[in-house]
Amino acid sequence: EVQLVESGGGLVKPGGSLKLSCAASGFTFSDYYMYWVRQTPEKRLEWVATISDGGSYTYYPDSVKGRFTISRDNAKNNLYLQMSSLKSEDTAMYYCARGGSLPAWFAYWGQGTLVTVSA
Amino acid sequence: QIVLTQSPAIMSASLGERVTMTCTASSSVSSSYLHWYQQKPGSSPKLWIYSTSNLASGVPARFSGSGSGTSYSLTISSMEAEDAATYYCHQYHRSPPIFTFGSGTKLEIK
Repeated sequence: EVQLVESGGGLVKPGGSLKLSCAASGFTFSDYYMYWVRQTPEKRLEWVATISDGGSYTYYPDSVKGRFTISRDNAKNNLYLQMSSLKSEDTAMYYCARGGSLPAWFAYWGQGTLVTVSA
Repeated sequence: QIVLTQSPAIMSASLGERVTMTCTASSSVSSSYLHWYQQKPGSSPKLWIYSTSNLASGVPARFSGSGSGTSYSLTISSMEAEDAATYYCHQYHRSPPIFTFGSGTKLEIK
């Protein structure tokens, strides 16, 4: 059974930093692209970051480029999201997701970890 | 960047009723890269339909998806109570690799 378990969320002040983790199990982690997707308090879904199966390629939307860094440890089956220069608009539930047979959809999602950016 | 517009934003249906919701793209989307997710309150989204018309594992056969170009739809042939949820459409653009979501259709029981 595919399992994705996020951790690391919390309350952080504007301009602060936070690192999210996602522990993966139930599949061969190194075979799949992985993603971070967030859901705002208004329930809008936003793609945040992509990392290729080997970790060589990463992609971000303009809204987080230069502030967020996705990484992975294939030996430990872990995915990470380092977030810096956080803004109030980064407040959201952050989900770790696994790609499908094509890196074009999010086949499995974790339960999410909540990030709140507030003074 | 392609914008996905879902309609209606909220709808209600009686048990047994046929339900159709739509997702309209601002530019043409490859049918291979248009997908749907179901989300219930307090839970994370689940892949529901991928590449326009392929049901994800465990999705009941009363669900179907169709479309091409800029117009896509999700249909439930006969509404059941467990289908009440929010449905999001989602598209992938290969170059540059960008994902966008629609704003969702909330389906309630009438």
